[in-house]
Amino acid sequence: EAGVTQFPSHSVIEKGQTVTLRCDPISGHDNLYWYRRVMGKEIKFLLHFVKESKQDESGMPNNRFLAERTGGTYSTLKVQPAELEDSGVYFCASSQVAGLGNYGYTFGSGTRLTVV
Amino acid sequence: AQSVTQLDSQVPVFEEAPVELRCNYSSSVSVYLFWYVQYPNQGLQLLLKYLSGSTLVKGINGFEAEFNKSQTSFHLRKPSVHISDTAEYFCAVNRQGGSEKLVFGKGTKLTVNP
Repeated sequence: EAGVTQFPSHSVIEKGQTVTLRCDPISGHDNLYWYRRVMGKEIKFLLHFVKESKQDESGMPNNRFLAERTGGTYSTLKVQPAELEDSGVYFCASSQVAGLGNYGYTFGSGTRLTVV
Repeated sequence: AQSVTQLDSQVPVFEEAPVELRCNYSSSVSVYLFWYVQYPNQGLQLLLKYLSGSTLVKGINGFEAEFNKSQTSFHLRKPSVHISDTAEYFCAVNRQGGSEKLVFGKGTKLTVNP
């Protein structure tokens, strides 16, 4: 079984540019999550999809961030325009059913975004 | 709201020594507790979790953790570490019956030296 795949693994962009991160969850996993770790800080929740619907987007920092999951398969996270404080590692995770207590997540390796 | 404090940002130890990575949490409601590990250039991997029942939880790679409700702690231990345990370890909580999001601590970098 393929794991959660994220790409690119690294991205360096200039302030003001646009970047799109992609996450391919494990096949059949309806739940998809995005998290972010800014340097030296905690890993923080961004949002949760159930299929193509946003179940919880309470962690999205501002309207420069747009997450989509068309067709309920892969997801993209677009940052437009990127700011210096957006630098960090963006993690994606997926689970077949909801219920962290029983099922847990599978995380991807992350995309390291550097805004210069 | 929940919060997690990992008291040590870096822990250096020698190979075959015991190690304890400390985690304290704050929550007004019941939570599930987790430890994740991130090896270099890899994703987060679940080490172990506490849901209910026995307060001593055993995980992969010889790690275990003990839930202490009165001290709101969930410390991670291993009696004898290997070089391959060098990684960053994250404690996390999830509110029972709440949303699916995890609240993480800042992580502890464990370095095992020969």
